[in-house]
Amino acid sequence: KNEVEQSPQNLTAQEGEFITINCSYSVGISALHWLQQHPGGGIVSLFMLSSGKKKHGRLIATINIQEKHSSLHITASHPRDSAVYICAITSNFGNEKLTFGTGTRLTIIP
Amino acid sequence: NAGVTQTPKFQVLKTGQSMTLQCAQDMNHNSMYWYRQDPGMGLRLIYYSASEGTTDKGEVPNGYNVSRLNKREFSLRLESAAPSQTSVYFCASSVGYRAYGYTFGSGTRLTVV
Repeated sequence: KNEVEQSPQNLTAQEGEFITINCSYSVGISALHWLQQHPGGGIVSLFMLSSGKKKHGRLIATINIQEKHSSLHITASHPRDSAVYICAITSNFGNEKLTFGTGTRLTIIP
Repeated sequence: NAGVTQTPKFQVLKTGQSMTLQCAQDMNHNSMYWYRQDPGMGLRLIYYSASEGTTDKGEVPNGYNVSRLNKREFSLRLESAAPSQTSVYFCASSVGYRAYGYTFGSGTRLTVV
């Protein structure tokens, strides 16, 4: 079983819909990361969380440490949000190595 | 622009050929990493360097070597390329403390035929 599990694997929605992507993990962590990968391939760091909630524009990331679960929400989704969203963790022992989920492919239809 | 620069962006090799992927960061980060990304799998760590002068194996190091040339540069070498090394390779860097995030390079798409 992977240490990081994401759901759903694929998500298609209409423009304007509220989007939720989920991430569950099975080990103690020092931080959880949400990353975005566009079709061109580049990876951009969206959030790094160790507790609570963070917001940047239309994106909101939450984490529940006790339940080992995080969600990424997108409000008022737009076709330019179409990308692969990747959850990753750094464990609470050792160094800064990331362990990645397999990603959620989001497609927003105009 | 500050960030992580990877070269080349694309490469086709024949089985048995060697090549070096270059990575440089200008953010004064301590830690650098090489990951590979394969369809249906999450990115997997090949090697990392927690600081200048140190390197350590990651999850999938076989067939690769690395050099942390200085604080800025971290190269990945394939000594004898195999088709199983066909992948997209990403270099990344981080400050090295747990409160900070990562910066990724734009990736190298490598095909071994």
